[in-house]
Amino acid sequence: QSALTQPASVSGSPGQSITISCTGTSSDVGRYNYVSWYQQHPGKAPKLMIYDVSDRPSGISIRFSGSKSGNTASLTISGLQAEDEADYYCSSYTSSSTWVFGGGTKLTVL
Amino acid sequence: QVQLVESGGGVVQPERSLRLSCAASEFAFTNYAMHWVRQAPGKGLEWVALISYDGSNKYYADSVKGRFTISRDTSKNTLYLQMNSLRADDTAVYYCARGQQPYSGGWHPLDYWGQGTLVTVSS
Repeated sequence: QSALTQPASVSGSPGQSITISCTGTSSDVGRYNYVSWYQQHPGKAPKLMIYDVSDRPSGISIRFSGSKSGNTASLTISGLQAEDEADYYCSSYTSSSTWVFGGGTKLTVL
Repeated sequence: QVQLVESGGGVVQPERSLRLSCAASEFAFTNYAMHWVRQAPGKGLEWVALISYDGSNKYYADSVKGRFTISRDTSKNTLYLQMNSLRADDTAVYYCARGQQPYSGGWHPLDYWGQGTLVTVSS
């Protein structure tokens, strides 16, 4: 149950687009389309942003999108806004019927 | 609106036990898989445990297997995490969260989260 690999930090200016990668293995990300992304602001509970690789829950902006290729999933945020500054975590269901999270990525909006 | 309220956190000595509770409301608790996720101070999220909607299946992270037990009481709409043989590296905020789809075995994402309860393991 090794954590999924994410970059520690990414940054972008308002209006720009950024992409956060999430690399797993053939036992998790590569095996299932059960990849989800969570946003967490300081001191707050995580919030589901993307599920099943690319689906958005009701109320989530279309600026957030997800994709997957092989063992790597990605979260793209377009039209960056100041309120997007937060920590982002990917997560995947695994062949052991468990879940695993990535180490988290701190997004800074310059 | 779905509500999940954790309780039971506090300071506990190493090797002691603690039971966390998560009171669920405003949804059909009996129909949803439930999870515990923790976050050590300044660190990332770590998935801890999952119980299926009917309680028949339970899964654990390797880091807690054999020490922690997840359970649910449908009559009280409450999720539990019994934590035994606690260690310093169990110190974290513990969140309960709901699986997104009803009647799921646990492969659906976590769509609602509580605000968490802090467990500190220290002598």
